[in-house]
Amino acid sequence: AQKVTQAQTEISVVEKEDVTLDCVYETRDTTYYLFWYKQPPSGELVFLIRRNSFDEQNEISGRYSWNFQKSTSSFNFTITASQVVDSAVYFCALSELGNSGYALNFGKGTSLLVTP
Amino acid sequence: DTEVTQTPKHLVMGMTNKKSLKCEQHMGHRAMYWYKQKAKKPPELMFVYSYEKLSINESVPSRFSPECPNSSLLNLHLHALQPEDSALYLCASGRGYGYTFGSGTRLTVV
Repeated sequence: AQKVTQAQTEISVVEKEDVTLDCVYETRDTTYYLFWYKQPPSGELVFLIRRNSFDEQNEISGRYSWNFQKSTSSFNFTITASQVVDSAVYFCALSELGNSGYALNFGKGTSLLVTP
Repeated sequence: DTEVTQTPKHLVMGMTNKKSLKCEQHMGHRAMYWYKQKAKKPPELMFVYSYEKLSINESVPSRFSPECPNSSLLNLHLHALQPEDSALYLCASGRGYGYTFGSGTRLTVV
């Protein structure tokens, strides 16, 4: 069963638009961790943010913000005033003890294209 | 040292070859992982090593053979691969507190 669902396969926006990438997760553990990674065309995975299950505070980092809501099992990511350099594939990932021993379980990713 | 180093960065091998991918970290992480990533797909977990012991094998074919010689090193031995095994192979270390990924080995099987 898919543990992390990123329903948006591809999103295309024009520069300076705001865009939200959705992430819904599923777990039975009370302790778990959520992550967002960026993967540009070069292939490396760039860490963006980590949240543990006991910290529902939303976070803002520059143009990036994250909304963690346990009630809806969602961990959404918003880019404000998007830029061409934001074009990449973005992965939401879950880490839980479960059957995977805290290995990261990735969603299918959302490919974001920002055009000038 | 806060990096995971993977070598080689690129590898082309024939279906009858034997090769190895290497991964090294010096952050004291006791869990290390191998992931396989095909184009336009997410990384898929292959193996988990915890305290140098194989703890999870995600039903990976035996032509992939992992090895953890010590707490800093992780190898992936490759033998008799198929063209469909061509992919980006990522190594990572860490736990829920954070993970560090290597830049990967891009493998092409011909």
